[in-house]
Amino acid sequence: ETGVTQTPRHLVMGMTNKKSLKCEQHLGHNAMYWYKQSAKKPLELMFVYNFKEQTENNSVPSRFSPECPNSSHLFLHLHTLQPEDSALYLCASSQVNAQGVREQYFGPGTRLTVT
Amino acid sequence: GDSVTQMEGPVTLSEEAFLTINCTYTATGYPSLFWYVQYPGEGLQLLLKATKADDKGSNKGFEATYRKETTSFHLEKGSVQVSDSAVYFCALSESGAGNNRKLIWGLGTSLAVNP
Repeated sequence: ETGVTQTPRHLVMGMTNKKSLKCEQHLGHNAMYWYKQSAKKPLELMFVYNFKEQTENNSVPSRFSPECPNSSHLFLHLHTLQPEDSALYLCASSQVNAQGVREQYFGPGTRLTVT
Repeated sequence: GDSVTQMEGPVTLSEEAFLTINCTYTATGYPSLFWYVQYPGEGLQLLLKATKADDKGSNKGFEATYRKETTSFHLEKGSVQVSDSAVYFCALSESGAGNNRKLIWGLGTSLAVNP
């Protein structure tokens, strides 16, 4: 496979469930990102990993827990979510160096519905 | 900090009409500039980019020129098609030193093209 893949594409979960979103990039990049995209709201950066180290956590509630075991894989662990967490969750990767951040490549997203 | 301002949508055009989506930015350094497109039900795709002043990015009939004097990166297409209906995002690479820079996103402009 090429590019950035995300699984599952759709997920429906209850408020007491625990689930995980998976992202994999096949581009040899050194940075990975989780975004949340909700209707009528700006694209929201949640977490950033550079060289497998978390470098950004934009005040995301603890019910979202990221994990980056290596530079190709990124997970978002979900537990005790709220209905307002229903959104499209996008994963992206990029190559970052001292000269700056280059373009990000996105996966197709996971459409999450919390019931 | 750095920021991106896009024209508000939605934009509705007839097929073969000329398209302009305005994007202006503020940045302290010399960012790279990007346009992304998101088709319904999909993730974001890089449409075009420009890395320095006066560069013109182009792809699929879309063009945008990096204008430092007006701090703008307007997206244009001479003749839109129904298949161009999507949401378009302008973004810049954050200024500053270090590896922790991110992309700064506009709010997105929805385009609907009618046959």
